[in-house]
Amino acid sequence: AQSVTQPDIHITVSEGASLELRCNYSYGATPYLFWYVQSPGQGLQLLLKYFSGDTLVQGIKGFEAEFKRSQSSFNLRKPSVHWSDAAEYVCAVVTTSGTYKYIFGTGTRLKVLA
Amino acid sequence: DSGVTQTPKHLITATGQRVTLRCSPRSGDLSVYWYQQSLDQGLQFLIQYYNGEERAKGNILERFSAQQFPDLHSELNLSSLELGDSALYFCASGGTGDTGELFFGEGSRLTVL
Repeated sequence: AQSVTQPDIHITVSEGASLELRCNYSYGATPYLFWYVQSPGQGLQLLLKYFSGDTLVQGIKGFEAEFKRSQSSFNLRKPSVHWSDAAEYVCAVVTTSGTYKYIFGTGTRLKVLA
Repeated sequence: DSGVTQTPKHLITATGQRVTLRCSPRSGDLSVYWYQQSLDQGLQFLIQYYNGEERAKGNILERFSAQQFPDLHSELNLSSLELGDSALYFCASGGTGDTGELFFGEGSRLTVL
C-alpha cells in the first residue's frame, strides 16, 4: 500500500543550527514529492516539489530537499534555521498512475530555540 | 495567499449539532478537495469534487456530506456531531497540471463540546 512516513514527530534545534527532516515513502513507481509548511492558524504552504530531473530541489525560505530513489526518501534540509522556521512540516507523495492521489505524512513539528 | 478561501475560520458547537463549512477555490480551479486534520494525525482525505461532480471519496463518514455548486464553491456538511469530529478541516484546489500541486485554504477549526 502507498504510504508516507515522517519518523520524527517533534524536532528541536537551536537557531543557526542545521536541520534535516526525514520523509520516506512507499510507492511502486516514482511519485511526485512535496514538502509543505503549516504555521499556526495558517493553511499549508508549498515549500518545494520534485517531479523529475535534478534530484536536489531548491525551495522557498532557503529550504532544499533531495530525492533518493534507492532509499525511497525525500528529506528536507536547511543549513541554518531561523526562529521563524518554527512550524509543522508535512511531506506528501502524489501517485502518478491515473489521476493524482495525494498521500500525506503525519508531519514533523519543529521547535527553534533562541 | 493561496487564493483558496474558507469560512468560518473557527466554529464551536455542541454534540449532536450540524455545521456547514464553505470553500471557494482559486480562480480557474475546477477541483475542490476536503481534508480533515485531527490532533497528531496527518491530513485525512475526505472527498474531491471536480466541476460539480464527485470525483473521489476517502474516509468520509456517512454523517458528513459535501457538494460543489455551479459557481465552483463547495460546502462540507457535518451532522450529528461528536466530540471526535473536533479537527481542522482544510479545503484545497488545484490538483491538475504538470505536477498536480494543491493549494490550501487556511482551514476551519471545528470544536465540538
